[in-house]
Amino acid sequence: SQQGEEDPQALSIQEGENATMNCSYKTSINNLQWYRQNSGRGLVHLILIRSNEREKHSGRLRVTLDTSKKSSSLLITASRAADTASYFCATVLSGGYNKLIFGAGTRLAVHP
Amino acid sequence: NAGVTQTPKFQVLKTGQSMTLQCAQDMNHEYMSWYRQDPGMGLRLIHYSVGAGITDQGEVPNGYNVSRSTTEDFPLRLLSAAPSQTSVYFCASRALASGANVLTFGAGSRLTVL
Repeated sequence: SQQGEEDPQALSIQEGENATMNCSYKTSINNLQWYRQNSGRGLVHLILIRSNEREKHSGRLRVTLDTSKKSSSLLITASRAADTASYFCATVLSGGYNKLIFGAGTRLAVHP
Repeated sequence: NAGVTQTPKFQVLKTGQSMTLQCAQDMNHEYMSWYRQDPGMGLRLIHYSVGAGITDQGEVPNGYNVSRSTTEDFPLRLLSAAPSQTSVYFCASRALASGANVLTFGAGSRLTVL
């Protein structure tokens, strides 16, 4: 079974709106990462948050981590059409440094 | 830098045929891995390697073989392809010293098994 699960599975918004995606996981983690995948392409790393961090920012991205609830959220502010992609959370299990486990992803569509 | 290069980009096989998906990286990364991506399933780890001569199994290793004879290359072999192996395959690598497990991905290889 998968470690991480994203919610919602699909999200459709207008340009300029904020997009929030959530990720839940099952076991203790070392860190949690978010990746983006444009259609037909490989995944690109966006941001990493460690288990002892609660919030992290990178440009228009804001990631939060709640280890007590085993959940994370990715917020994209002021979205653009170019943000249209699938977004995946990935976790590194505590002690499992060689395995990065991915969720099923959220498909984001940003309409002009 | 080319990064992670996968070949072929597309391949169609018949059930029972064998083939090798190639992966090469030019970043001197010790760690390399193979994932498969299926609709609604996200990416699942097949095999990984932490250096030449060292490989280990991931979540879904059955039906796949790997070897790591050089730092640069990590081929994935399907010895007898099955329709269940129809998928998009991604190779990814990282430097072990980075400590954070952030992966660099190739563009993917789309495999169809008839």
